[in-house]
Amino acid sequence: QVQLQESGPGLVKPSETLSLTCIVSGDSIDNYYWSWIRQPPGQGLEWIGYVSNSGSTNYNPSLKSRVTISADTSKNHLSLEMKSVTTADTAVYFCARMLVVEGFDVWGQGTIVSVSS
Amino acid sequence: ETVLTQSPATLSLSPGERATLSCRASQSINTYLAWYQQKPGQAPRLLIYDASNRAPGIPARFSGSGSGTDFTLTISSLEPEDFAVYYCQQRSRRLIFTFGPGTKVDF
Repeated sequence: QVQLQESGPGLVKPSETLSLTCIVSGDSIDNYYWSWIRQPPGQGLEWIGYVSNSGSTNYNPSLKSRVTISADTSKNHLSLEMKSVTTADTAVYFCARMLVVEGFDVWGQGTIVSVSS
Repeated sequence: ETVLTQSPATLSLSPGERATLSCRASQSINTYLAWYQQKPGQAPRLLIYDASNRAPGIPARFSGSGSGTDFTLTISSLEPEDFAVYYCQQRSRRLIFTFGPGTKVDF
């Protein structure tokens, strides 16, 4: 059974870079696509981007200039970097397994990131 | 990019009642639509994909329909555990994904 666990600093200062990691267990990340999705407090879901099993990436156009998603097959984890964060980036960040047809079928529990000075 | 709208924002029902949730796309998305359920403090759960296919393990009381721009999620008879927020999500041909704003089903 695939399980995902996000981790990262709970607090980031404005203008700095947010870095998160998602450890995948129960399957190889080589077999699937993987996405990051976020949810600001009390709000809806926003797709950030994905990394494919071949290492190609695709991003939400509204975030593309600030975001990098990568996969480390040796550690079986994926990463998210978001530059120049503002308070608007405060959210719960989820990683999820992405099936092209079905959507996001396995999710991590999410990690809370607050952007504040 | 395609924008999704959901209605109503809140649906107040009782256990045993039928719930009908709507999702409308700003342009045709064929059947490239999924539905998710999210409970407080939890990650979303995939219910329906490709507009009408139930994900593994999802009870038969959940059904989806629609194509093009208009989609519906129906819960035939609400169970206590079904009170939650429901999101629709579309994928474009370029694999850009967007979510609707959600419908809260409460008691």
